[in-house]
Amino acid sequence: DADVTQTPRNRITKTGKRIMLECSQTKGHDRMYWYRQDPGLGLRLIYYSFDVKDINKGEISDGYSVSRQAQAKFSLSLESAIPNQTALYFCATSDWTSGLNNEQFFGPGTRLTVL
Amino acid sequence: GESVGLHLPTLSVQEGDNSIINCAYSNSASDYFIWYKQESGKGPQFIIDIRSNMDKRQGQRVTVLLNKTVKHLSLQIAATQPGDSAVYFCAEKFDFGNEKLTFGTGTRLTIIP
Repeated sequence: DADVTQTPRNRITKTGKRIMLECSQTKGHDRMYWYRQDPGLGLRLIYYSFDVKDINKGEISDGYSVSRQAQAKFSLSLESAIPNQTALYFCATSDWTSGLNNEQFFGPGTRLTVL
Repeated sequence: GESVGLHLPTLSVQEGDNSIINCAYSNSASDYFIWYKQESGKGPQFIIDIRSNMDKRQGQRVTVLLNKTVKHLSLQIAATQPGDSAVYFCAEKFDFGNEKLTFGTGTRLTIIP
């Protein structure tokens, strides 16, 4: 089983709809992240969380919200989806240990299309 | 603002040859760098990292070189295989304890059989 899972994997929705993307991890990591990937722009950080109920804005948080009610779950919401939020969304986790690898582990991604 | 970029968006290499993927960064305060590999339909996968107090680090078939003087990072893949075909991203952190990564736009590496 994958360590970081995302649901749904694909979603098509209409402008104005509320959408929630879910991320779950079995790695026991305390830190979780949501990224957005657009062609030619690489990955951009939307929100991140260092622990349960800890929420921090990334570089492109406008139009998004997140919830971290449990260590293993981090959800991303689009309250009113718009077409320019069409993108590939990735969840990632990390477990920072001083002096060691700061690797982030990514989920398989959710492809969201807003019509 | 600061940015991380790549010199070439695409690279084709004959199977068995070595490949070099380059990355330029603009923030001289960046102290940690990571290379990720992203295969089609999958999330990015960690390859190798390097801290700013190093200029070279080797892994299995991969080597990362860091030149702080010209703010340049490269990923060398030795004896390329078809499975190496993917998009490769460099990413940087401005502060080692800060978990925020800034990603480059990616280079697509294609291995020619």
